[in-house]
Amino acid sequence: GENVEQHPSTLSVQEGDSAVIKCTYSDSASNYFPWYKQELGKGPQLIIDIRSNVGEKKDQRIAVTLNKTAKHFSLHITETQPEDSAVYFCAASMRVSGGYNKLIFGAGTRLAVHP
Amino acid sequence: DTEVTQTPKHLVMGMTNKKSLKCEQHMGHRAMYWYKQKAKKPPELMFVYSYEKLSINESVPSRFSPECPNSSLLNLHLHALQPEDSALYLCASSQDHPVEVFDNSPLHFGNGTRLTVT
Repeated sequence: GENVEQHPSTLSVQEGDSAVIKCTYSDSASNYFPWYKQELGKGPQLIIDIRSNVGEKKDQRIAVTLNKTAKHFSLHITETQPEDSAVYFCAASMRVSGGYNKLIFGAGTRLAVHP
Repeated sequence: DTEVTQTPKHLVMGMTNKKSLKCEQHMGHRAMYWYKQKAKKPPELMFVYSYEKLSINESVPSRFSPECPNSSLLNLHLHALQPEDSALYLCASSQDHPVEVFDNSPLHFGNGTRLTVT
């Protein structure tokens, strides 16, 4: 079925450390993988996305890697700062049983960066 | 600030009330979405409008009624809701809604309406 698993559910790091969040997906035809950051009281904001024709993408302190063979992708945040504290959602685009495309979200990771 | 604007930010309504949530985007996007998000859960898709036509209804109860008056506006009309419908309602938009899996364009969310049904 359509499924995205995300780990860990909570992550606590010291300021300056790196943080890694991992997701696996079920549909080998998926080829679009966005990551969203949701701060308290706000909607999810797209921070980076990757398509299946690319193995890695970087944007300043954020990077995403994709392993299509293993069907997993990861978010890497380096030099974490307190303002990185939020809930992060991974997602994968899948063709669902209704015959249309849908973003399937992971359950979310609550990241806390301690000064 | 998000480019998708939702009003109101907070709404409290009784089970017999009728209310509407509003969403506006000026990015020229042709697909607009309603999502529901319960506490500590990911967003759940409710409806998709593509080129102002309802293209996807994820088996949402009829007490939720979407409307797309034009390409920039999206409404969600609420009637006879239940307390379990209390949630954050998110509007989103994208360039278009992909027909094929490889056509995906980024989804932009608003900050939501926090709805409480009493």
